[in-house]
Amino acid sequence: AQRVTQPEKLLSVFKGAPVELKCNYSYSGSPELFWYVQYSRQRLQLLLRHISRESIKGFTADLNKGETSFHLKKPFAQEEDSAMYYCALSGGAGGTSYGKLTFGQGTILTVHP
Amino acid sequence: KAGVTQTPRYLIKTRGQQVTLSCSPISGHRSVSWYQQTPGQGLQFLFEYFSETQRNKGNFPGRFSGRQFSNSRSEMNVSTLELGDSALYLCASRSRTGGNTEAFFGQGTRLTVV
Repeated sequence: AQRVTQPEKLLSVFKGAPVELKCNYSYSGSPELFWYVQYSRQRLQLLLRHISRESIKGFTADLNKGETSFHLKKPFAQEEDSAMYYCALSGGAGGTSYGKLTFGQGTILTVHP
Repeated sequence: KAGVTQTPRYLIKTRGQQVTLSCSPISGHRSVSWYQQTPGQGLQFLFEYFSETQRNKGNFPGRFSGRQFSNSRSEMNVSTLELGDSALYLCASRSRTGGNTEAFFGQGTRLTVV
């Protein structure tokens, strides 16, 4: 069974401080990992995916298969980063969970001025 | 290009009734997935449709069903509603099924069962 764990429900930091949102996963195979974000009164949207290896809005995430983690990091948090962040996993091609997104419980990030 | 559209936005139903929710994907997208979001369980996958065929199904009872039409629009039906079915139901569309393809979400339908 696939599982995604986000251990922190709430995370508060001050503007300019580094931020790390933790995500651990369980999956027997090669997963596809994502971070989705939901800003206040907006719909859920993709922030980044591990396969792209890109930085979006200053955020990066590295897939660590040894530790089965996909933590989201930003060196200098901004007030506009305040949102709900979800880590999600999808099975790789050929797997039974191909196309199914399994989400973590989410982390509410608050960046104080 | 228009985003994913879900109708209605809000619904109030009585226990035992049935309900149908609708989702119009982004033009050209052939994959539509449904998710249930509750405070206790978070976001849970219901099912995915691609080219009118159900490709994957989550762990929900048979009261939850869906279908997809030839224009890729999808409907989700819940029969014999229970209080625990109260939730935000989200629809997501993708240009193709699975893998690392980005899922675009609708704003959801808020279902309240009384």
